[in-house]
Amino acid sequence: AQKITQTQPGMFVQEKEAVTLDCTYDTSDPSYGLFWYKQPSSGEMIFLIYQGSYDQQNATEGRYSLNFQKARKSANLVISASQLGDSAMYFCAMREGTFQFYFGTGTSLTVIP
Amino acid sequence: NAGVTQTPKFRVLKTGQSMTLLCAQDMNHEYMYWYRQDPGMGLRLIHYSVGEGTTAKGEVPDGYNVSRLKKQNFLLGLESAAPSQTSVYFCASRRPTDTQYFGPGTRLTVL
Repeated sequence: AQKITQTQPGMFVQEKEAVTLDCTYDTSDPSYGLFWYKQPSSGEMIFLIYQGSYDQQNATEGRYSLNFQKARKSANLVISASQLGDSAMYFCAMREGTFQFYFGTGTSLTVIP
Repeated sequence: NAGVTQTPKFRVLKTGQSMTLLCAQDMNHEYMYWYRQDPGMGLRLIHYSVGEGTTAKGEVPDGYNVSRLKKQNFLLGLESAAPSQTSVYFCASRRPTDTQYFGPGTRLTVL
């Protein structure tokens, strides 16, 4: 079974609108972490936001928030007030236990002016 | 601080040739990782290290070897390159309670 599933290969959003990128995960380990990374066309991996499995509150970092629904095993990324510079690939990742990381296949986001 | 650096940035190999990719970090991180990124498949973990002198297998370790002789360096070796190893390789490092910091990547083509 896939550890991380991103079901949206591509998404479009109007500039200044909000967008939600979906991510579901699969683990039986009670201790895990969930991450979102951005990969622009230049290729580097940029960390956006982190949610720990024991965190009670949803994580927020500026315009990014993580909608963590533990019972549903989902960790959706919400980007508010989209900007043209948000156009990129977005990867959801999970740290299972202490060391192992698993990445999803990514969602390509295009922001339309 | 340079962060995480990778050498080389690009490389073309012929089938059967060997090479070593170097990852260096100046953040004194304990953990280091090697990933490969293929189109449509996201990043997959090849090997990782939790400290100097230790290595462990990730999701796709076959055809690769690694060494961590110094805390700041993590080497990825291909002993006999195959076209299936054409990919972009990313190195990352982290502290135990922190996110990963990625290098810029190495684009490897095996002909």
